Amino acid sequence: DVKVTQSSRYLVKRTGEKVFLECVQDMDHENMFWYRQDPGLGLRLIYFSYDVKMKEKGDIPEGYSVSREKKERFSLILESASTNQTSMYLCASSLSWGRDLTDTQYFGPGTRLTVL
Amino acid sequence: ELKVEQNPLFLSMQEGKNYTIYCNYSTTSDRLYWYRQDPGKSLESLFVLLSNGAVKQEGRLMASLDTKARLSTLHITAAVHDLSATYFCALSSSYSGAGSYQLTFGKGTKLSVIP
Repeated sequence: DVKVTQSSRYLVKRTGEKVFLECVQDMDHENMFWYRQDPGLGLRLIYFSYDVKMKEKGDIPEGYSVSREKKERFSLILESASTNQTSMYLCASSLSWGRDLTDTQYFGPGTRLTVL
Repeated sequence: ELKVEQNPLFLSMQEGKNYTIYCNYSTTSDRLYWYRQDPGKSLESLFVLLSNGAVKQEGRLMASLDTKARLSTLHITAAVHDLSATYFCALSSSYSGAGSYQLTFGKGTKLSVIP
């Protein structure tokens, strides 16, 4: 079974702090993704990566950056946390497009971040 | 820009009844996904639909895809309490040249099945 793990289930930070959210997958997937989920807004893509050291902006990248130094690990960084970044953050991974038409994205358990 | 619209957003139904969740989308897409999310948990993949007329079933859930109408449905048959969850549809758009793709999600349908 695919396993996607996230470093913390719950996190509380103060405004202005630098925050790191870590995600690790164990299935040798090429693609990794970071989403945030807010009530009434569904899931929105922040950043994704299709290879080591490669990254692309999603729909809402402002205030975030990412790092992918190893294939299995994808980090989301909040350079200076703000209260409007309080949210549930979900990491996902998948195979490369076309390798398996029925492939899906596999999600981690989520990190609920509160910024005070 | 791909837009995905689900309705209803909230659904309260009695056990034993049937109902359908609708997912409309704005532009053509290669794949359509249905996910389930239990309260406080992450998303679990239910179905991947690839082509027009595709139908997939698992237990009391059946998903179908009509690419001409840009519509997918998730039909619930004889609902039971265990089906209470939020259901999301999502569509993929490929990121050309890099083997990656993005998913655009609907806002989700929160289903409550009442005994």
